[in-house]
Amino acid sequence: QITLKESGPTLVKPTQTLTLTCTFSGISFTTSGVGMGWIRQPPGKALEWLALIYWDDDKRYSSSLKSRLTITKDTSKNQVVLTMTNMHPVDTAIYYCARSTVTTGWAFDVWGQGTMVTVSS
Amino acid sequence: QTVVTQEPSFSVSPGGTVTLTCGLSSGSVSTSDFPSWYQQTPGQAPRTLIYSTDSRSSGVPDRFSGSILGNKAALTITGAQADDESDYYCVLYMGSGLWVFGGGTKLTVL
Repeated sequence: QITLKESGPTLVKPTQTLTLTCTFSGISFTTSGVGMGWIRQPPGKALEWLALIYWDDDKRYSSSLKSRLTITKDTSKNQVVLTMTNMHPVDTAIYYCARSTVTTGWAFDVWGQGTMVTVSS
Repeated sequence: QTVVTQEPSFSVSPGGTVTLTCGLSSGSVSTSDFPSWYQQTPGQAPRTLIYSTDSRSSGVPDRFSGSILGNKAALTITGAQADDESDYYCVLYMGSGLWVFGGGTKLTVL
């Protein structure tokens, strides 16, 4: 059984850096063709892709947020970490991690439950 | 900047058929964009319905189908049920590791 769970602060202040962790099980992140991504959803709004890290440590970022994002993985801990700098109230959203694989044409086929992050002073 | 377009809202009668579309602000959607579709009900994480244009995810009923119609990706629901009332999102994998979500379609079944 594959599970993903996001964790991190529920409240951050403007200008602070957000660090979110996705802890997963049932996924072999050393297997070729696997990636883990982050997607967010502001309240009442659409989903937005943020970043993805591949099994080989290659990384991709949303062009609009690239300067603020860093994605890393710790295979020994089965974790993927997303950091976002200079948080702003518009970054208030539910943040999801999700698996993506080459066998599904890089669709996001397994999702975590999401974690709500509010940016407010 | 790539913009993926979806109908903001759609309605269908119970038992009816509805086709939601996913297009590009400029250009055509093709199988090479590996369109995928997700269903999301309020308070829940998205559920993957379709990947690689027309492949159903495990456990997804066969009344959900994906295709390319003209210059857009399409999600067709045949025999709509009340619990199909949800938000539906498409995603295009633009190659070189870039994913773009559409704005979502709110489907009402009434």
